[in-house]
Amino acid sequence: QVQLVQSGAEVKKPGASVKVSCKASGYTFSHYYIYWVRQAPGQGLEWLGWINPSSGGTHFAPRFQGRVTLTTDASITTAYMDLRSLTSDDTAVYYCTRPPGRGLVQPFDYWGQGTLVSVSS
Amino acid sequence: ETVLTQSPGTLSLSPGARATLSCRASETIGSSYLAWYQQKPGQAPRLLIYGASTRATGIPDRFSGSGSGTDFTLTISRLEPEDFAVYYCQQYGNSPRWTFGQGTKVEIK
Repeated sequence: QVQLVQSGAEVKKPGASVKVSCKASGYTFSHYYIYWVRQAPGQGLEWLGWINPSSGGTHFAPRFQGRVTLTTDASITTAYMDLRSLTSDDTAVYYCTRPPGRGLVQPFDYWGQGTLVSVSS
Repeated sequence: ETVLTQSPGTLSLSPGARATLSCRASETIGSSYLAWYQQKPGQAPRLLIYGASTRATGIPDRFSGSGSGTDFTLTISRLEPEDFAVYYCQQYGNSPRWTFGQGTKVEIK
């Protein structure tokens, strides 16, 4: 079955960077986009960006452009989200997700368990 | 950016009752690219409905979605104890894609 397993919680200081991993299994990794979403404590959901594991192509929500890098390592079927210049506003649970089918314009069907990133001095 | 406004913010209902949740978009959502998610505390969201009215795999038929253009509705025909949760709508048809509403909490009355 499709599984997305994320790395563990992180605590960072303001100005630092964080890298979250998302290990995929149960399907052909290159065939499906990976999207990243975050949720601040007690708040709603916010999409950060997507990556096409086949081409390496990426696209970001405007507010994260220039601060987020998305990559994949097909040899270990893992996607990564790198967020720089952290502030307390970046404290959130970060999720990787996969759509139900191939193609870009889709909702989010499979979800990782989430990674809590806490930013505090 | 397409803004999604969900109402009400909180819905207090008894098990067995019918729940009607609204999601209104600030502009027409192309091709009815509207989805609904359920989220319980400490869990990742779960896809319920996509394409405005298509149930995702394994979703019970007490969940139904309807609407088009700018007005969409999620209906839970008879609330089960496990349905008390927060529900989010999401559009994925307009750029920038994948924006969410602020959520509706369905709580036990």
